[in-house]
Amino acid sequence: NAGVTQTPKFRILKIGQSMTLQCTQDMNHNYMYWYRQDPGMGLKLIYYSVGAGITDKGEVPNGYNVSRSTTEDFPLRLELAAPSQTSVYFCASSPSPRLLFFGSGTQLSVL
Amino acid sequence: DQQVKQNSPSLSVQEGRISILNCDYTNSMFDYFLWYKKYPAEGPTFLISISSIKDKNEDGRFTVFLNKSAKHLSLHIVPSQPGDSAVYFCAANPAGTYKYIFGTGTRLKVLA
Repeated sequence: NAGVTQTPKFRILKIGQSMTLQCTQDMNHNYMYWYRQDPGMGLKLIYYSVGAGITDKGEVPNGYNVSRSTTEDFPLRLELAAPSQTSVYFCASSPSPRLLFFGSGTQLSVL
Repeated sequence: DQQVKQNSPSLSVQEGRISILNCDYTNSMFDYFLWYKKYPAEGPTFLISISSIKDKNEDGRFTVFLNKSAKHLSLHIVPSQPGDSAVYFCAANPAGTYKYIFGTGTRLKVLA
């Protein structure tokens, strides 16, 4: 049982580059989330989805985009990478708004 | 505006003693709370939860207490073990929403 899988685990981007962080879950969960964790800080919600085709902004959505075409996948897109987006990104899924299952994270550096 | 606060960035406890991690919140509309544990280079893992209609929930060595009037919850770990050394996050769910607001975390170190 893979749970929540995030790829890549590490990535270095140059300022202005674009990339997509992949997240897939095999638990048939309707709810999926993207969080970022900056050093010494808590997790900040970027975007979330309550089902295929439905997404909504979290606390810090600027500079990101998401899509949810299937129940399993919830990719996070960075269009024009900036140093402020250097962070660890966590994807999570949930069968209900009562418990989150997290992936192992993607460490992103923008230089 | 930090709605969920963990004011102690770090805590050191002797093995076998009790660890108490605290969390304060400002929004009275939070109706469900979670505690997560995080090891370096791993994702957070669920530890224990509590609904706002309860004031205590216990699971083995872990107990969460909720004081709604003070908008305060605490996680008690007893007895503490070296393997409990990790960063602990509390998270709160605003009623009627699908999202969680996380605190900044407390790094617990259990000394052998």
